[in-house]
Parts: sequence; structure tokens; C-alpha cells
Amino acid sequence: DAGITQSPRHKVTETGTPVTLRCHQTENHRYMYWYRQDPGHGLRLIHYSYGVKDTDKGEVSDGYSVSRSKTEDFLLTLESATSSQTSVYFCAIRGQDTYEQYFGPGTRLTVT
Amino acid sequence: AQSVTQPDIHITVSEGASLELRCNYSYGATPYLFWYVQSPGQGLQLLLKYFSGDTLVQGIKGFEAEFKRSQSSFNLRKPSVHWSDAAEYFCAVGARYAGNMLTFGGGTRLMVKP
Repeated sequence: DAGITQSPRHKVTETGTPVTLRCHQTENHRYMYWYRQDPGHGLRLIHYSYGVKDTDKGEVSDGYSVSRSKTEDFLLTLESATSSQTSVYFCAIRGQDTYEQYFGPGTRLTVT
Repeated sequence: AQSVTQPDIHITVSEGASLELRCNYSYGATPYLFWYVQSPGQGLQLLLKYFSGDTLVQGIKGFEAEFKRSQSSFNLRKPSVHWSDAAEYFCAVGARYAGNMLTFGGGTRLMVKP
């Protein structure tokens, strides 16, 4: 299994509070991705990173920000959580010379 | 923009029967194509991938998929299903540029009858 961990694995928070999810890799891969999974939608890309301090938006980036200050960590922040952000969040990584992505175990976030 | 359609939301097959899960994609050039499997409460595991070359690709757990450019399809097959194959299956298309963002289909949930 690819060395990817996500924390926390489960979180319940209230509307309007800030939330930060962490993805940590031990593979030294350049590319990291954040997706959200919702029933009937598969996974949709939120943001991705192609290096330290280099990030770009995905399909559903509104309401989310990311940061990558070192290769191994990619943080996803919900500045002010809303109920529509209740979802399962997956982090993925990809090596420089490959095209397949490997996924972490996911974080289940519930916004009440 | 790239897109993926998995027409079957649910499929039920008997153990030992053959399986085919459908995937149709839309992409302006030759895509990278993937199948992932997700067991309940788990992350996604890569089953197989197509980048170029032989259009019939073999994956793990006895799965294979065939890329048909003329039909824009990448269907997943298995000759004999096992009860442990019950899971959700996702087809994905990847863009051929540096970001390589994946676009996923909505998924097909497979149930296996004893």
C-alpha cells in the first residue's frame, strides 16, 4: 500500500467553524490531490499540488483552500464549514513519471 | 472537458457468473483510463490502467478491461465473480498533461448472490 495517511479519520463540526484536514505521505511524490466523494458523483477534484507551495484549483474548489509547505503534507481547509461540505474526503498522490494515483483511507466529515 | 459515464448504478450477479461493467468516456485525445475498486468504508484501490499500446489490459484480482476507441469505452470484465468482489467500482479518465487530474464516473455497486 502507498504510504498515505489522513487525519482525522472522522470529524463532526458545526456550521461556520473552520476545519483542516491533513494528508501525509511517505513516498516523496511530487503530486498530491484532494477529492470529495458524494453518492452518485463519484469523486470530484477539489485542489491539487504539483510541488511545495505550488497548488491549483479543481472542479469543486469553492469554499476550500489548501497549503503545502513541505513535500509530505497537503492540508485542506474549510474556512467556514457548511452543511453542503458534509462528505468523505480523499487524498491521493502520484509520482513524477507515473500517471496512476494512489488514495488514502479517507476522512468522513459531517457538518451539523 | 473530460467526462465519464457509468450507466449501471447497481448490478447483481451470481457467484461464478461472468461480469462486465460499462464505462464510456469523453475526451479530446487518447486518454489515460483507470478502474478503481472501493470496499465499504475503505479507500480506492487501483485495479488496472490503460496508457497506450495493447487495448486489452490485465489487472489485479483477475480483472481485465478493453479500450475501444471507436466506442469511447473502457469496460471492465471478469470471467468468474467471487463473493469478495462485492464492492463499488469506479472508472476514471486522466488528462494527458502535467496536472493529470482524474475525472470519475458515478460508480457501479456490485452485489454478488451466493
